[in-house]
Amino acid sequence: GQQVMQIPQYQHVQEGEDFTTYCNSSTTLSNIQWYKQRPGGHPVFLIQLVKSGEVKKQKRLTFQFGEAKKNSSLHITATQTTDVGTYFCAGSHAGNNRKLIWGLGTSLAVNP
Amino acid sequence: ETGVTQSPTHLIKTRGQQVTLRCSSQSGHNTVSWYQQALGQGPQFIFQYYREEENGRGNFPPRFSGLQFPNYSSELNVNALELDDSALYLCASSLGQGGRYFGPGTRLTVT
Repeated sequence: GQQVMQIPQYQHVQEGEDFTTYCNSSTTLSNIQWYKQRPGGHPVFLIQLVKSGEVKKQKRLTFQFGEAKKNSSLHITATQTTDVGTYFCAGSHAGNNRKLIWGLGTSLAVNP
Repeated sequence: ETGVTQSPTHLIKTRGQQVTLRCSSQSGHNTVSWYQQALGQGPQFIFQYYREEENGRGNFPPRFSGLQFPNYSSELNVNALELDDSALYLCASSLGQGGRYFGPGTRLTVT
């Protein structure tokens, strides 16, 4: 079936180090969204990417959508303790954009 | 905060019982979707409502049903509760297929 794979599952970094999580789909996505969920909280919408090869930045966060629209990445520059949480990608497949298929998330821990 | 509210925050039910969870959408949003999130897992899409009709559904059995009201608020109903239904139930509102804005969730425990 349609799946969205996300790696790594966990990442432990020192404060100030960079962090990247990757999202891969077996089929072409119509769009991809990224969310952050703090421990004990609910997912918070970060961004949506729609165009092939799209790159968007939010302060220290850089989001990319692959040329084939099958993969995406989130890169955080110089992590801070406030970046702690689980980052999820969620994609919609062409032909059924009402259903968001979620990755399992990457849990980020940041040592001060 | 997103402006999406859910009630109740916590609920304990017995296997076989029925439960209704409620959600109020963010102002200006016309679409509501429901998700089940087990501990340590990503959200699983249950279904989505637009203009009071279900217009998308994930791999959940018919005992999971819902409603959307004219003011875009929504309910999730689960019949014949099973132990595996224990999870965090998240409601999200959106404008069409844009970003989903989640409520704080309802923690359901089935014993």
